[in-house]
Amino acid sequence: AQTVTQSQPEMSVQEAETVTLSCTYDTSESDYYLFWYKQPPSRQMILVIRQEAYKQQNATENRFSVNFQKAAKSFSLKISDSQLGDAAMYFCAYRIQGAQKLVFGQGTRLTINP
Amino acid sequence: DTGVSQDPRHKITKRGQNVTFRCDPISEHNRLYWYRQTLGQGPEFLTYFQNEAQLEKSRLLSDRFSAERPKGSFSTLEIQRTEQGDSAMYLCASSLATSGRGTDTQYFGPGTRLTVL
Repeated sequence: AQTVTQSQPEMSVQEAETVTLSCTYDTSESDYYLFWYKQPPSRQMILVIRQEAYKQQNATENRFSVNFQKAAKSFSLKISDSQLGDAAMYFCAYRIQGAQKLVFGQGTRLTINP
Repeated sequence: DTGVSQDPRHKITKRGQNVTFRCDPISEHNRLYWYRQTLGQGPEFLTYFQNEAQLEKSRLLSDRFSAERPKGSFSTLEIQRTEQGDSAMYLCASSLATSGRGTDTQYFGPGTRLTVL
C-alpha cells in the first residue's frame, strides 16, 4: 500500500526566512505524481506545487520549490522569503499514474513569526 | 469560475439520523471526488465519479454511505444512521480529465464539517 509520511507535525519560521518541509513516501510504482497542498485555517485546500516522477528536474513555483529524490522516496518543499500568508497546514500527497485518488500525509502546521 | 462549492458548511446531527451533503464542482469538470478529513489528519479518499459513473470506492465507504452524481454535475453524499465516528470534515474536489498522461489537478471545496452528537 502506498503511504505518505510527514515527520514534522509543526514548523515555525521567521518572516522572510526560508523553511523546508519534509515528506517521504512508500511505493513500488515507478510512474506517479507528487503534490504539496496548502490548507489555510478555515479555508479550502489549494495546490502549491506538483512534481511528475519521470521528470528529473525539480518543480518550482515562484517562492516554492521542491527537492525530489526518487531513489530515496523523498519530496521536500522549500518556501523562500516566507510571508505571513504562508501560514497554513501543508499536506504532501501522492497519486499513481492512471489512478485518481490522492494519498495524503498527516500534514505539517507552518507558523510564520513576524 | 466560481470554484467548488459545498453545502451545508456545517452540520450538527444526533446519532442515528441521516444526513446529506451536496457538492457543486467547477463547471465543465467531469471528475468529482469525495474525501474525509478527521481532526489533525490528512484527507482520506472515499470515492470518485467520472461524469455520472462512480468508478472507485474506498473501503472507508461503508454500507451506510452512498454517493451519487445523477446528471454528471453536482453530487450528493448521504450518511445513514450516523455514528459519532462519522464526525469529520467531508471534502469535495473536482478536476477536468484530459487526454494524455492525465495530469489533471484536483480543486477542493471548503468542506462540510459534520458533528454527530
